[in-house]
Amino acid sequence: QKEVEQNSGPLSVPEGAIASLNCTYSDRGSQSFFWYRQYSGKSPELIMSIYSNGDKEDGRFTAQLNKASQYVSLLIRDSQPSDSATYLCAVSGYSTLTFGKGTMLLVSP
Amino acid sequence: GAGVSQSPSNKVTEKGKDVELRCDPISGHTALYWYRQSLGQGLEFLIYFQGNSAPDKSGLPSDRFSAERTGGSVSTLTIQRTQQEDSAVYLCASSLERENSPLHFGNGTRLTVT
Repeated sequence: QKEVEQNSGPLSVPEGAIASLNCTYSDRGSQSFFWYRQYSGKSPELIMSIYSNGDKEDGRFTAQLNKASQYVSLLIRDSQPSDSATYLCAVSGYSTLTFGKGTMLLVSP
Repeated sequence: GAGVSQSPSNKVTEKGKDVELRCDPISGHTALYWYRQSLGQGLEFLIYFQGNSAPDKSGLPSDRFSAERTGGSVSTLTIQRTQQEDSAVYLCASSLERENSPLHFGNGTRLTVT
């Protein structure tokens, strides 16, 4: 059973702080990793994808992948109240795509 | 270009009735997925189509649920004899291929069974 684990939260951070969202996965053969943002009542929206070990930066977002530790994270710098949402980690292997249950992020003004 | 289109956006039906939900994927996307999301819950995989291959139906919760994809494009999810526990948001997503390609989601159909 391929599993993707996320802390459900909520993770509360003040505006301007760095939010750190974490995800672990069980399948060592996983090759592709995605972060989605889901606002309440809306559908998931892709914000980052990462395929190789290391960091990938896009604006205020940085995805970090460590395949040896089976760990992927998302850092949000200068967090804004508009970043308040549930963040879903998704992991793709040879023939499956598995979503975590998501971490709720609350950014307070 | 156009994103994934789902219709209807909202559907209210009486218990025991059949419903059909439609998904029009992004043009050129060969992979199509259906998920279900109950209030406050995570994504529940239902079914996956890839090109002309046999669909992966491993997530369908009962034989009341079925789906088809015609011509490798539009897909219809059918729920027969709806039950109150079927109430949820049904999300469709498409991608270029199953492996290594991100999914792009539609806006979903909110189904309410009364």
